[in-house]
Amino acid sequence: EVQLQESGPGLVKPSQSLSLTCSVTGYSITSNYWGWIRKFPGNKMEWMGYISYSGSTSYNPSLKSRISITRDTSKNQFFLQLNSVTTEDTATYYCARWIAYWGQGVMVTVSS
Amino acid sequence: EIVLTQSPTTMAASPGEKVTITCRASSSVSYMHWFQQKSGTSPKPWIYDTSKLASGVPDRFSGSGSGTSYSLTISSMEAEDAATYYCLQRSSYPPTFGGGTKLELK
Repeated sequence: EVQLQESGPGLVKPSQSLSLTCSVTGYSITSNYWGWIRKFPGNKMEWMGYISYSGSTSYNPSLKSRISITRDTSKNQFFLQLNSVTTEDTATYYCARWIAYWGQGVMVTVSS
Repeated sequence: EIVLTQSPTTMAASPGEKVTITCRASSSVSYMHWFQQKSGTSPKPWIYDTSKLASGVPDRFSGSGSGTSYSLTISSMEAEDAATYYCLQRSSYPPTFGGGTKLELK
């Protein structure tokens, strides 16, 4: 069974970088597409981007200058880095094997 | 990007009542996908490719639509169906979600 688990700091200061890890078990990240999605307070959901089985990436244009998704195939993990965060980046962040399997999500608050 | 507008945003239904949730796209899309989310849990894929039920989804659920108008229907509301439902399009880049419909039990 595919399982995904997000991890990372729950609090980030404005202007700093947000870094999250998604650990995958039961399926190799060298197959399929692996994405990050976030849900803002108030329920709006946003697709942030994904990394493919080959390592190529695709990002939401709204984030393109701030986002990076990378991976470590030896650990079967992929990562999200979002730079120059503001309070507007406060959200619950989910990783997913796009679109079928999702992690439980991690809440990240941006605050000084 | 394609904007998805769901209606209603909130609704309450009695057990046994028929429920319809609509998702309208700002431009035509090929398929619509639906997720169910309950409080404190992650979104669950519910309906794929407009009308295909995900594994384990009761057959009282159905999906339909084309072009810019899609819907999710529950033929007979049950208590366990109370949740927030989101539509998703990935026909056009970037993928976009609807704003969600919160369905409550009356």
